[in-house]
Amino acid sequence: QVQLVQSGAEVKKPGASVKVSCKASGYTFTRYSMHWVRQAPGQRLEWMGWINAGNGDTKYSQKFQGRVTITRDTSANTAYMDLSSLRSEDTAVYYCARDRRGYTGYDLGYWGQGTLVTVSS
Amino acid sequence: QSALTQPASVSGSPGQSITISCTGTSRDVGGYNYVSWYQQHPGKAPKLMIYDVINRPSGVSNRFSASKSGNTASLTISGLQAEDEADYYCSSHTSTSTVIFGGGTKLTVL
Repeated sequence: QVQLVQSGAEVKKPGASVKVSCKASGYTFTRYSMHWVRQAPGQRLEWMGWINAGNGDTKYSQKFQGRVTITRDTSANTAYMDLSSLRSEDTAVYYCARDRRGYTGYDLGYWGQGTLVTVSS
Repeated sequence: QSALTQPASVSGSPGQSITISCTGTSRDVGGYNYVSWYQQHPGKAPKLMIYDVINRPSGVSNRFSASKSGNTASLTISGLQAEDEADYYCSSHTSTSTVIFGGGTKLTVL
């Protein structure tokens, strides 16, 4: 069965960077895209970007362009989301989510458990 | 556009039906048949309930149905049950190959 297991909670100071990992199992990693979605406390879901796990192509939300980098390691079946220049408003749960059908970006069929990132001085 | 427009809250009694709307533009909801709906219980990851406007993934109750007209998509839950109480989010593919979510709707089962 498809499983996405994310790295543990992080506490960071303003201005620092955070890298969250998402280890996939139960399917062929390179045949699907992986998305990153965040949710600030009590707030809505916010799409950040995605990576084609096959060829590494990425697409980012304009809001995070320049601050977010999504990568993958096909040998480890793992995707990563790196967010830099952190500020308090970046405190959120960060989710990875697998495209349901391939590289389409149309719907997210499987989700990781979420990683809480807290930005505080 | 920062988010698709959803009502902040809806409520209904057990057994009743409710409908949640999701309004976008011709660059997202109106332009593609790639609207999805997600259910999120407190402290849990979202769960895909509807994809391609009207389709249910395997295992999702047929009490959940959806449709689209123009720039507005809708999710209907019939025969409300206590377990349906959750937040619901719509999302859509966009003309720039990104994904946009709605603001979310809190469903309360009275």
